[in-house]
Amino acid sequence: NAGVTQTPKFRVLKTGQSMTLLCAQDMNHEYMYWYRQDPGMGLRLIHYSVGEGTTAKGEVPDGYNVSRLKKQNFLLGLESAAPSQTSVYFCASSWDPRNTGELFFGEGSRLTVL
Amino acid sequence: TQLLEQSPQFLSIQEGENLTVYCNSSSVFSSLQWYRQEPGEGPVLLVTVVTGGEVKKLKRLTFQFGDARKDSSLHITAAQPGDTGLYLCAGANNAGNMLTFGGGTRLMVKP
Repeated sequence: NAGVTQTPKFRVLKTGQSMTLLCAQDMNHEYMYWYRQDPGMGLRLIHYSVGEGTTAKGEVPDGYNVSRLKKQNFLLGLESAAPSQTSVYFCASSWDPRNTGELFFGEGSRLTVL
Repeated sequence: TQLLEQSPQFLSIQEGENLTVYCNSSSVFSSLQWYRQEPGEGPVLLVTVVTGGEVKKLKRLTFQFGDARKDSSLHITAAQPGDTGLYLCAGANNAGNMLTFGGGTRLMVKP
């Protein structure tokens, strides 16, 4: 059972470089999310998608872009990385987030920006 | 933005002790979830509470949703080393399409 898979799991970037994090889910979920996790701040929502071809901003969207060209994939892009974007990034998916829907998370991608 | 505050941030106890973790907000949530996260992994759902005043039990874990749906608590009885981890509460907005997470409580249970 693959569930939610994130690649890469680790990455080191220099300030100003760009990169893309890939999230793939095999559960046919409509909803997908990108969160970042920083010490003491829990998980903060960056962007989310309610279905193929749709995206929406979350709590901390600045400096990130996303795309959902295929239902099973949700890409998170950093166009010009900054040290403040050093974090652990988690992708999650859900079949129905309304009220009681469970989020299924990937294992995380640790990004360091020097 | 709906904010969730968890307390305490850190908790270190001996095996067999009881503990309670709190999740508080000034906002009303349509539902609230509790997740547990282990190092190097993503959070895993423990429980969802929906109704104000609701109490759910999961073995040694008891979850309560406040009457006004603004706060929740997690009580662990006779903690075990396997309970060690980061506990996160998350509240759903009225539309139900976004979860706001608290800052987490890092629990360590020593044998």
